[in-house]
Amino acid sequence: EADIYQTPRYLVIGTGKKITLECSQTMGHDKMYWYQQDPGMELHLIHYSYGVNSTEKGDLSSESTVSRIRTEHFPLTLESARPSHTSQYLCASSVQVGGYTFGSGTRLTVV
Amino acid sequence: KQEVTQIPAALSVPEGENLVLNCSFTDSAIYNLQWFRQDPGKGLTSLLLIQSSQREQTSGRLNASLDKSSGRSTLYIAASQPGDSATYLCAVGTSYDKVIFGPGTSLSVIP
Repeated sequence: EADIYQTPRYLVIGTGKKITLECSQTMGHDKMYWYQQDPGMELHLIHYSYGVNSTEKGDLSSESTVSRIRTEHFPLTLESARPSHTSQYLCASSVQVGGYTFGSGTRLTVV
Repeated sequence: KQEVTQIPAALSVPEGENLVLNCSFTDSAIYNLQWFRQDPGKGLTSLLLIQSSQREQTSGRLNASLDKSSGRSTLYIAASQPGDSATYLCAVGTSYDKVIFGPGTSLSVIP
Protein backbone atom coordinates (compact mmCIF):
# COMPACT_ATOMS: atom_id res chain seq x y z
CA GLU A 1 0.00 0.00 0.00
CA ALA A 2 1.49 3.31 -1.14
CA ASP A 3 2.33 5.90 1.51
CA ILE A 4 3.12 8.56 -1.06
CA TYR A 5 0.49 9.57 -3.56
CA GLN A 6 0.75 11.38 -6.84
CA THR A 7 -2.14 12.75 -8.85
CA PRO A 8 -3.04 12.75 -11.61
CA ARG A 9 -1.52 9.49 -12.86
CA TYR A 10 -1.76 10.65 -16.49
CA LEU A 11 -2.32 14.17 -17.86
CA VAL A 12 -2.67 15.40 -21.43
CA ILE A 13 -2.86 19.16 -21.67
CA GLY A 14 -2.57 21.90 -24.27
CA THR A 15 0.36 24.28 -24.66
CA GLY A 16 0.19 27.36 -22.47
CA LYS A 17 -1.97 25.86 -19.74
CA LYS A 18 -1.05 26.09 -16.07
CA ILE A 19 -0.82 22.75 -14.31
CA THR A 20 -0.13 21.52 -10.81
CA LEU A 21 1.09 18.01 -10.08
CA GLU A 22 0.16 16.84 -6.61
CA CYS A 23 2.30 14.82 -4.23
CA SER A 24 1.30 13.87 -0.70
CA GLN A 25 2.87 11.52 1.83
CA THR A 26 1.54 10.16 5.10
CA MET A 27 4.84 9.10 6.64
CA GLY A 28 5.78 12.42 8.23
CA HIS A 29 8.99 12.60 6.20
CA ASP A 30 10.74 15.98 6.24
CA LYS A 31 12.63 15.47 2.97
CA MET A 32 10.73 15.46 -0.32
CA TYR A 33 11.92 15.44 -3.92
CA TRP A 34 10.75 15.83 -7.50
CA TYR A 35 12.50 13.92 -10.28
CA GLN A 36 11.97 14.13 -14.04
CA GLN A 37 12.49 11.05 -16.17
CA ASP A 38 12.13 10.64 -19.93
CA PRO A 39 11.32 7.11 -21.20
CA GLY A 40 14.31 4.81 -20.87
CA MET A 41 16.46 7.59 -19.50
CA GLU A 42 17.99 8.45 -16.14
CA LEU A 43 16.27 10.32 -13.32
CA HIS A 44 17.06 14.01 -12.92
CA LEU A 45 16.47 15.87 -9.65
CA ILE A 46 14.55 19.09 -10.35
CA HIS A 47 13.41 20.22 -6.86
CA TYR A 48 13.76 19.20 -3.24
CA SER A 49 12.67 20.29 0.20
CA TYR A 50 14.04 19.61 3.67
CA GLY A 51 10.89 20.69 5.47
CA VAL A 52 8.12 23.26 5.68
CA ASN A 53 8.99 26.50 3.87
CA SER A 54 12.19 24.94 2.49
CA THR A 55 12.54 24.54 -1.30
CA GLU A 56 15.66 24.17 -3.43
CA LYS A 57 16.39 23.69 -7.11
CA GLY A 58 17.93 20.42 -8.14
CA ASP A 59 20.63 19.45 -10.61
CA LEU A 60 18.47 19.83 -13.73
CA SER A 61 17.21 23.27 -14.61
CA SER A 62 13.44 23.30 -14.68
CA GLU A 63 10.81 25.93 -15.44
CA SER A 64 8.59 24.46 -12.76
CA THR A 65 8.15 25.74 -9.21
CA VAL A 66 7.32 24.00 -5.94
CA SER A 67 5.97 24.91 -2.54
CA ARG A 68 6.05 23.26 0.88
CA ILE A 69 3.44 24.78 3.15
CA ARG A 70 2.65 21.52 4.92
CA THR A 71 4.96 18.63 5.72
CA GLU A 72 2.84 16.12 3.87
CA HIS A 73 2.25 18.12 0.68
CA PHE A 74 4.79 19.06 -2.05
CA PRO A 75 3.03 20.23 -5.24
CA LEU A 76 4.85 21.07 -8.47
CA THR A 77 3.50 23.80 -10.76
CA LEU A 78 4.14 24.66 -14.40
CA GLU A 79 2.82 28.17 -15.16
CA SER A 80 2.76 27.66 -18.93
CA ALA A 81 3.14 24.10 -20.22
CA ARG A 82 5.15 23.45 -23.38
CA PRO A 83 5.73 20.27 -25.41
CA SER A 84 9.31 20.16 -24.03
CA HIS A 85 7.75 19.53 -20.59
CA THR A 86 6.41 16.18 -21.77
CA SER A 87 7.93 13.63 -19.41
CA GLN A 88 7.30 11.50 -16.35
CA TYR A 89 7.48 13.30 -12.99
CA LEU A 90 8.29 11.25 -9.91
CA CYS A 91 7.87 12.41 -6.32
CA ALA A 92 9.78 10.85 -3.43
CA SER A 93 10.22 11.34 0.29
CA SER A 94 12.70 10.21 2.90
CA VAL A 95 13.58 10.64 6.56
CA GLN A 96 17.34 10.50 5.91
CA VAL A 97 19.78 10.84 3.02
CA GLY A 98 18.58 8.14 0.63
CA GLY A 99 16.07 5.60 1.85
CA TYR A 100 13.53 6.94 -0.62
CA THR A 101 9.90 6.04 -1.00
CA PHE A 102 8.62 6.94 -4.47
CA GLY A 103 5.15 7.68 -5.71
CA SER A 104 3.71 6.05 -8.83
CA GLY A 105 4.53 9.05 -10.97
CA THR A 106 2.62 11.44 -13.24
CA ARG A 107 3.03 11.00 -16.96
CA LEU A 108 2.58 14.43 -18.54
CA THR A 109 1.97 15.00 -22.24
CA VAL A 110 1.78 18.57 -23.55
CA VAL A 111 0.25 18.86 -27.01
CA LYS B 1 32.53 13.77 -7.23
CA GLN B 2 30.57 10.56 -6.68
CA GLU B 3 29.81 8.55 -9.82
CA VAL B 4 27.61 5.47 -9.93
CA THR B 5 27.73 2.87 -12.68
CA GLN B 6 25.81 -0.34 -13.26
CA ILE B 7 26.95 -3.30 -15.28
CA PRO B 8 25.55 -4.84 -17.39
CA ALA B 9 23.23 -2.28 -18.97
CA ALA B 10 20.95 -5.11 -20.09
CA LEU B 11 20.65 -8.76 -19.19
CA SER B 12 18.50 -11.58 -20.54
CA VAL B 13 18.28 -14.89 -18.68
CA PRO B 14 16.07 -17.99 -18.82
CA GLU B 15 13.56 -18.49 -16.05
CA GLY B 16 14.93 -20.22 -12.96
CA GLU B 17 18.47 -18.91 -13.22
CA ASN B 18 20.21 -17.16 -10.36
CA LEU B 19 21.69 -13.81 -11.37
CA VAL B 20 23.80 -10.94 -10.07
CA LEU B 21 23.46 -7.26 -10.87
CA ASN B 22 26.37 -4.94 -10.14
CA CYS B 23 26.58 -1.38 -8.89
CA SER B 24 29.88 0.50 -8.53
CA PHE B 25 30.59 3.86 -6.93
CA THR B 26 33.75 5.95 -6.92
CA ASP B 27 33.67 7.50 -3.41
CA SER B 28 33.51 5.08 -0.49
CA ALA B 29 32.24 7.77 1.91
CA ILE B 30 28.62 6.80 1.50
CA TYR B 31 25.69 7.04 3.88
CA ASN B 32 23.67 4.16 2.45
CA LEU B 33 22.82 2.34 -0.78
CA GLN B 34 19.35 1.47 -2.00
CA TRP B 35 18.19 -0.91 -4.73
CA PHE B 36 15.01 -0.21 -6.69
CA ARG B 37 13.05 -1.86 -9.46
CA GLN B 38 11.16 0.14 -12.06
CA ASP B 39 8.55 -1.28 -14.39
CA PRO B 40 8.02 0.55 -17.71
CA GLY B 41 6.19 3.84 -17.23
CA LYS B 42 5.91 3.36 -13.49
CA GLY B 43 7.53 4.73 -10.35
CA LEU B 44 10.40 3.18 -8.44
CA THR B 45 9.76 0.41 -5.93
CA SER B 46 12.28 0.08 -3.11
CA LEU B 47 13.75 -3.41 -2.82
CA LEU B 48 16.52 -3.16 -0.23
CA LEU B 49 18.27 -0.42 1.73
CA ILE B 50 21.75 -1.05 3.13
CA GLN B 51 23.17 1.39 5.66
CA SER B 52 26.90 2.11 5.47
CA SER B 53 27.55 0.05 8.61
CA GLN B 54 25.89 -3.04 7.12
CA ARG B 55 27.31 -5.65 4.77
CA GLU B 56 24.12 -7.11 3.36
CA GLN B 57 20.34 -7.14 3.41
CA THR B 58 17.94 -9.91 2.39
CA SER B 59 14.31 -9.95 1.35
CA GLY B 60 12.81 -13.14 -0.01
CA ARG B 61 14.70 -14.16 -3.15
CA LEU B 62 16.76 -10.95 -3.09
CA ASN B 63 20.09 -10.39 -1.38
CA ALA B 64 22.07 -7.18 -1.60
CA SER B 65 25.65 -6.84 -0.45
CA LEU B 66 27.78 -3.79 0.16
CA ASP B 67 31.57 -3.50 0.09
CA LYS B 68 32.46 0.14 0.70
CA SER B 69 36.21 -0.37 0.46
CA SER B 70 35.95 -1.66 -3.09
CA GLY B 71 33.09 0.65 -4.03
CA ARG B 72 30.73 -2.15 -4.99
CA SER B 73 27.27 -3.48 -4.29
CA THR B 74 25.64 -6.54 -5.80
CA LEU B 75 22.00 -7.54 -6.03
CA TYR B 76 21.54 -11.30 -6.15
CA ILE B 77 18.23 -12.65 -7.45
CA ALA B 78 17.60 -16.33 -6.83
CA ALA B 79 15.44 -18.53 -9.04
CA SER B 80 14.46 -15.72 -11.42
CA GLN B 81 10.87 -15.46 -12.67
CA PRO B 82 9.34 -13.62 -15.65
CA GLY B 83 7.76 -11.22 -13.14
CA ASP B 84 11.26 -10.09 -12.18
CA SER B 85 11.63 -8.45 -15.61
CA ALA B 86 12.17 -4.74 -14.98
CA THR B 87 14.89 -2.13 -14.74
CA TYR B 88 16.93 -2.29 -11.55
CA LEU B 89 18.56 0.87 -10.23
CA CYS B 90 20.95 1.45 -7.38
CA ALA B 91 21.08 4.77 -5.55
CA VAL B 92 23.93 5.91 -3.34
CA GLY B 93 23.23 8.23 -0.42
CA THR B 94 26.36 10.31 -0.06
CA SER B 95 27.86 11.87 3.02
CA TYR B 96 27.29 15.32 1.54
CA ASP B 97 23.55 14.84 1.60
CA LYS B 98 22.93 13.93 -2.02
CA VAL B 99 21.61 10.77 -3.62
CA ILE B 100 23.21 9.62 -6.86
CA PHE B 101 21.32 7.14 -9.06
CA GLY B 102 22.96 4.62 -11.34
CA PRO B 103 21.77 4.33 -14.95
CA GLY B 104 20.07 0.99 -14.30
CA THR B 105 20.22 -2.59 -15.58
CA SER B 106 17.34 -3.76 -17.78
CA LEU B 107 16.52 -7.37 -16.89
CA SER B 108 14.48 -9.74 -19.04
CA VAL B 109 13.61 -13.17 -17.68
CA ILE B 110 12.54 -15.46 -20.52
CA PRO B 111 9.88 -18.10 -19.72
